[in-house]
Amino acid sequence: NAGVTQTPKFQVLKTGQSMTLQCAQDMNHNSMYWYRQDPGMGLRLIYYSASEGTTDKGEVPNGYNVSRLNKREFSLRLESAAPSQTSVYFCASSEARWGTNEKLFFGSGTQLSVL
Amino acid sequence: DQQVKQNSPSLSVQEGRISILNCDYTNSMFDYFLWYKKYPAEGPTFLISISSIKDKNEDGRFTVFLNKSAKHLSLHIVPSQPGDSAVYFCAAPGYNNNDMRFGAGTRLTVKP
Repeated sequence: NAGVTQTPKFQVLKTGQSMTLQCAQDMNHNSMYWYRQDPGMGLRLIYYSASEGTTDKGEVPNGYNVSRLNKREFSLRLESAAPSQTSVYFCASSEARWGTNEKLFFGSGTQLSVL
Repeated sequence: DQQVKQNSPSLSVQEGRISILNCDYTNSMFDYFLWYKKYPAEGPTFLISISSIKDKNEDGRFTVFLNKSAKHLSLHIVPSQPGDSAVYFCAAPGYNNNDMRFGAGTRLTVKP
């Protein structure tokens, strides 16, 4: 049971380059999320998708785009990378039935450096 | 706007002793709280949760206490083990989990 799988694990970009972080879950969860973790800041929500076909902005969406390709996959795209986007990125999923509090399941993260 | 705060970036305890990790929150509308544990090079994993209708929830060596009047929760680990060394995050979900807020984390080191 793989859970939440993220690729790649590490990436180095130059300022202005673009890339897509991939995420897939095999738990048949409705909701998926992208977080970034920065020192002293905890995890901050970038975008989320409450169900297939929907996406919404989180706390720090600027500079990112997302695609909920199907129920399993949720990708995060950086169109023009900036040094401020150097961070560790985590994808997560949850059952998140309406009106309930469901815990998140996280992938192992992508360490991204933008030079 | 940090609605969930963990003011201690690190904590070191001796094996066998109690570890107490603290978390404060500002939004009185939060009604459910979670603790996650994170090892290096791994994603966070769920540890324990508590609903605002309770003031204590226990799971083995882990107990979470909630003081609603003080907007404060704490995680107690008794006895602490070296394998508990990790970063611990407290979190509170917004409506339908869509804006779960995390604290900055506390790095716990348990010394043998």
